[in-house]
Amino acid sequence: GAVVSQHPSWVICKSGTSVKIECRSLDFQATTMFWYRQFPKQSLMLMATSNEGSKATYEQGVEKDKFLINHASLTLSTLTVTSAHPEDSSFYICSARGVFGQPNSNQPQHFGDGTRLSIL
Amino acid sequence: GENVEQHPSTLSVQEGDSAVIKCTYSDSASNYFPWYKQELGKRPQLIIDIRSNVGEKKDQRIAVTLNKTAKHFSLHITETQPEDSAVYFCAAISNFGNEKLTFGTGTRLTIIP
Repeated sequence: GAVVSQHPSWVICKSGTSVKIECRSLDFQATTMFWYRQFPKQSLMLMATSNEGSKATYEQGVEKDKFLINHASLTLSTLTVTSAHPEDSSFYICSARGVFGQPNSNQPQHFGDGTRLSIL
Repeated sequence: GENVEQHPSTLSVQEGDSAVIKCTYSDSASNYFPWYKQELGKRPQLIIDIRSNVGEKKDQRIAVTLNKTAKHFSLHITETQPEDSAVYFCAAISNFGNEKLTFGTGTRLTIIP
């Protein structure tokens, strides 16, 4: 149980392109999803917290107009990197938290497999 | 906000020896401390966690200790094996309901056969 699916796993695109990444909780409802960015040989940095049906909360320094987050259902959150540039190349990982008190809530977050984004 | 520091950044140990990774946190309200193992290009995997109401937890070759007074916690791996080679991250949550994880900077552990 507690499977989080993230797609695509790898994206290579030209500078200026917008890229959408999907994060799905497959066997549980996720009221909250988190988006992280990880540069090579660095730690995971939280970008934003996404709550179903409301606006995402962005961490300091993260441009909300560049990294659009939508969490329209209890099983799906999307991150769109708009007008991507080479400096946006990174490993993006989502995680999902189940409904507190429900199965799978013993762990605070379940991680997706990540998306490696390469902007040429 | 929470700040988590992790040491060492790299660690090499002979197969069969023990490895210890240490972390400190700044927010005294933090009450949950997970450890993750991440292999290259893959997602972090939870290997062990500890809550603030206990001082030690063990799961086979892996153990975690917590000193709330000093605000530090450590990961101990005994009888290390080559498959233990990976990057390990500690993390802290200041409020379980909020569940906003703050990660340490990571430790690259290499097990020498």
